Amino acid sequence: ETGVTQTPRHLVMGMTNKKSLKCEQHLGHNAMYWYKQSAKKPLELMFVYSLEERVENNSVPSRFSPECPNSSHLFLHLHTLQPEDSALYLCASSRSRWGTGELFFGEGSRLTVL
Amino acid sequence: AQRVTQPEKLLSVFKGAPVELKCNYSYSGSPELFWYVQYSRQRLQLLLRHISRESIKGFTADLNKGETSFHLKKPFAQEEDSAMYYCALSGPGANSKLTFGKGITLSVRP
Repeated sequence: ETGVTQTPRHLVMGMTNKKSLKCEQHLGHNAMYWYKQSAKKPLELMFVYSLEERVENNSVPSRFSPECPNSSHLFLHLHTLQPEDSALYLCASSRSRWGTGELFFGEGSRLTVL
Repeated sequence: AQRVTQPEKLLSVFKGAPVELKCNYSYSGSPELFWYVQYSRQRLQLLLRHISRESIKGFTADLNKGETSFHLKKPFAQEEDSAMYYCALSGPGANSKLTFGKGITLSVRP
């Protein structure tokens, strides 16, 4: 499979649960990103990884914990979330950090926090 | 600081009507500008970039440095153009952060 793949596509969790979102890219890219997309703030950058090193944390609460074990995989670990964290979480990748403006996005993981 | 402003949240037009999606930017230097599109239930993807000076799906965008604008235009809208459109900006060098605007929903009615 090519491109950027995110799993699960849909996730419902309670505020006390712990879950993880997974992103995998088959493009040979060196940078990966997490974005949050919601009605209130359409596209919020959360984290940036370049060569498996976190290079940007956009003031994201600690209940979101990213992990990048290698350049092809990116995780977002979730725990004790709030209902306002319900959103579409998008993963993206690029050849290098910010990739001269071209990011390749996954289809997103729709998260609902009850 | 770099900033992208999309002043409208929604634009609704009839099929065949001209479309102009507005984008203004703030950047001290020579920016690179992009338009991304997200169709319903599809992934966000790059539509076009100003340095390519290309027309994609009938859309064009011209960088106007005097007005600091990069409006997306199409002379005759089609129903399949209905989507969310994001304007984005980065600096000219490698590793230059990409900043997105808040996006605009285009609705093309039959």
